[in-house]
Amino acid sequence: EDQVTQSPEALRLQEGESSSLNCSYTVSGLRGLFWYRQDPGKGPEFLFTLYSAGEEKEKERLKATLTKKESFLHITAPKPEDSATYLCAVDTTDSWGKLQFGAGTQVVVTP
Amino acid sequence: GAVVSQHPSRVICKSGTSVKIECRSLDFQATTMFWYRQFPKKSLMLMATSNEGSKATYEQGVEKDKFLINHASLTLSTLTVTSAHPEDSSFYICSARDVLETQYFGPGTRLTVL
Repeated sequence: EDQVTQSPEALRLQEGESSSLNCSYTVSGLRGLFWYRQDPGKGPEFLFTLYSAGEEKEKERLKATLTKKESFLHITAPKPEDSATYLCAVDTTDSWGKLQFGAGTQVVVTP
Repeated sequence: GAVVSQHPSRVICKSGTSVKIECRSLDFQATTMFWYRQFPKKSLMLMATSNEGSKATYEQGVEKDKFLINHASLTLSTLTVTSAHPEDSSFYICSARDVLETQYFGPGTRLTVL
């Protein structure tokens, strides 16, 4: 059975304090791994798609990487506006387009 | 970037009434849209997959007669919660998948059934 596990559940950072979020997955065949951020009371906002091990993508202070077993979302010198819940989701050869989400990591960045 | 809208953003209704939620992809066409439900402090739970011009596919445990889905065009899917009850109160979110198979999400609809 496909599984997606995110850690930690919650992360509290000082502004400027870089950190990484983890998304580990056990799937039959990965078609794509997606990162989203979700603010309270809103829908998820697309950040990145990663397709193969070794792939990296960057956007402002965020960088996503992918290995055969896990993905990391690195937040460099975070600002308070980076506070959100970060969700990882996988599309697999079993699900074909249906995303399976992890439970999310809630990030709070304090000034 | 791709934009998906939902309407209404909030709705309060009486028990026993039906509520329709619209999901639109504003700047791209989507043959497939998805409907999710999210409980407080929880991740998204897929309810159904909506394909343009065909019947929706429901996830196990989701009542298709209660949650009616229509995907009449490449930019519009609707979810109708029929005979709503307080336990149907939740945050409903739709997504639309583009040609690169990325799902873009709407802002969500908060449904409260009294």
